Amino acid sequence: GQQLNQSPQSMFIQEGEDVSMNCTSSSIFNTWLWYKQEPGEGPVLLIALYKAGELTSNGRLTAQFGITRKDSFLNISASIPSDVGIYFCAGQRTGGFKTIFGAGTRLFVKA
Amino acid sequence: DARVTQTPRHKVTEMGQEVTMRCQPILGHNTVFWYRQTMMQGLELLAYFRNRAPLDDSGMPKDRFSAEMPDATLATLKIQPSEPRDSAVYFCASGGGTDTQYFGPGTRLTVL
Repeated sequence: GQQLNQSPQSMFIQEGEDVSMNCTSSSIFNTWLWYKQEPGEGPVLLIALYKAGELTSNGRLTAQFGITRKDSFLNISASIPSDVGIYFCAGQRTGGFKTIFGAGTRLFVKA
Repeated sequence: DARVTQTPRHKVTEMGQEVTMRCQPILGHNTVFWYRQTMMQGLELLAYFRNRAPLDDSGMPKDRFSAEMPDATLATLKIQPSEPRDSAVYFCASGGGTDTQYFGPGTRLTVL
C-alpha cells in the first residue's frame, strides 16, 4: 500500500537551533500536510501545500512541496521548548479524502 | 471556540466486551474521519463519511468494527467483541473540505 517515509524518527536539539525534517513517497500526492501532535492531544494542522514547488510559512515554520510531488520538507527556525512534540507529514490525492500519514518525527528541545 | 469532542476520553474494558466511542464533529463540517493510533502502526485511517454517508471504510476490520453517523452531530465507532490488539488511541476528525481536518482529543482504549 501507499507509504510515507518520514525522517528523522527523532531529534534532540538545543533551544535556538534550526530543525529540518522530510517526508518521501513512492507515489505522487497532490496535497501535502504537516501536523503537530502534543501529548494527550490530537494532531493539529500546521501547514497545507497544494502545488509542486510551493513554499509556505507559518511563523517560524516553513514547508515546501517537492517538485517531483513525491516529497515535502518542514523547517523550524530558532527552536523553542514549546516546539516539543511529534510532527507528522501527510499526503492526499486528488478526488479523495483519504489521508496517508507518515510515522512522525519526535522533536525534543533542550532549554 | 469550535472543537471536535470525543467521549469517553479513556476506556478500559475486558476482552469480548462491546465498546462504543462517540464523536461530535464541529458544527457545519460535513466530513468525519475515524483514525487509530498505535506505536507500531502510527496513524491509520479506519473510515470516513461525507454528508453522513460512508465513503470508505476499507481500513476497518469489518468483522468487529462498525462506524455510523446517526445524525450530523454524532458519529460512532463500535467494536464488538473487543480484543487486546484493539488497544490504541482512536481519533475522530471533522472537516469542511478535503484537506483541513480538525482532530478531537482522542479516546484511549485499553482492552485487557
